[in-house]
Amino acid sequence: KAGVTQTPRYLIKTRGQQVTLSCSPISGHRSVSWYQQTPGQGLQFLFEYFSETQRNKGNFPGRFSGRQFSNSRSEMNVSTLELGDSALYLCASSSSGLVGETQYFGPGTRLLVL
Amino acid sequence: AQRVTQPEKLLSVFKGAPVELKCNYSYSGSPELFWYVQYSRQRLQLLLKHISRESIKGFTADLNKGETSFHLKKPFAQEEDSAMYYCALASIYNQGGKLIFGQGTELSVKP
Repeated sequence: KAGVTQTPRYLIKTRGQQVTLSCSPISGHRSVSWYQQTPGQGLQFLFEYFSETQRNKGNFPGRFSGRQFSNSRSEMNVSTLELGDSALYLCASSSSGLVGETQYFGPGTRLLVL
Repeated sequence: AQRVTQPEKLLSVFKGAPVELKCNYSYSGSPELFWYVQYSRQRLQLLLKHISRESIKGFTADLNKGETSFHLKKPFAQEEDSAMYYCALASIYNQGGKLIFGQGTELSVKP
């Protein structure tokens, strides 16, 4: 099975712009979670989607949003970028997102905001 | 509040020495706990999880509810164990895929 894929792998944006990141889960997986990884805050949960519905959300401002399509692919969008949004954004997929399920991570998208 | 603490940022041991990576959590209930590992230039991947109670690559972890700990242990470290290790918690009260991660411990195994 192909692993979780994320595009693009690297992005450079300027403050005030918006960005869209994409994640394709493992075939058959219906749950997609997003995480932000920074040196200072570590890995922080952004949100999780299952069957096109957001089921869980972390403590991030409304500038961070996401969606999931009927084929389980997911996108996350960050509007009005700030310097502090520079981070590695990871997505992870699992079969149904149940507690105890293994999450399979993608390679990440590294976002640099100038 | 749910929290995972890994007190050591860096742990350096010699090959063949025992290794213990500490993980403490705060959670008022029965959490599911995991250890994820990231080797150099590879993606984050599951090493082991409490619910499976299995040993992977010689690593084991025991959930101690009294001490709220889930320390990762290996009796004889190998150079290929050098990596970043993250302890993570999942809660039955958080429907849908949320993992709470510790800050990570970098394990360096010297020859």
